[in-house]
Amino acid sequence: QQPVQSPQAVILREGEDAVINCSSSKALYSVHWYRQKHGEAPVFLMILLKGGEQKGHEKISASFNEKKQQSSLYLTASQLSYSGTYFCGTVLLSSGSARQLTFGSGTQLTVLP
Amino acid sequence: SAVISQKPSRDICQRGTSLTIQCQVDSQVTMMFWYRQQPGQSLTLIATANQGSEATYESGFVIDKFPISRPNLTFSTLTVSNMSPEDSSIYLCSVEMTSGGIYNEQFFGPGTRLTVL
Repeated sequence: QQPVQSPQAVILREGEDAVINCSSSKALYSVHWYRQKHGEAPVFLMILLKGGEQKGHEKISASFNEKKQQSSLYLTASQLSYSGTYFCGTVLLSSGSARQLTFGSGTQLTVLP
Repeated sequence: SAVISQKPSRDICQRGTSLTIQCQVDSQVTMMFWYRQQPGQSLTLIATANQGSEATYESGFVIDKFPISRPNLTFSTLTVSNMSPEDSSIYLCSVEMTSGGIYNEQFFGPGTRLTVL
């Protein structure tokens, strides 16, 4: 079942913050975040496992709320290079050893100067 | 991470023909995946390819249309058979890397952009 991402699109000015949400109706084993620029392959950002941990990389961080089966990606003081489409991918707790990713519909982020 | 290459990077094909896409990884991986991404859309998993076993296909994808080979731990091919314009898409392979025995990160190849006329 495809996770639900919101918002579908967001436009920011350089230096502003943004939050992208990803929610599932089923119990999750992990949530993966990717950024894809036009004409390029998705680039792995981070992975979060069940347990409510939060991870960060420079000014991009994410959290995973196991009770709500929801993950949020936080972009702080956005830079022009952050522009692209952000996808969350989820692995269900019931997937066992298969670990297939199911991707959300994506959030198009545009950072303006 | 892993260095993943795909061949061809793009192709234009006639309907009714077949195209084989190659995916090469610079390290041995157990699990490889094939995805399709139609223009402006999300990624859809076609199949999971494990070395030494038959590929596992997702709902809506069948082996006759998308045969997959996985001869070793660094290589896989996806064939798009009897193509129609609806098969025009970007096809991506991905590999799963285990980090510290806990995390299962997936990395994507650059993709193959297929146009069917």
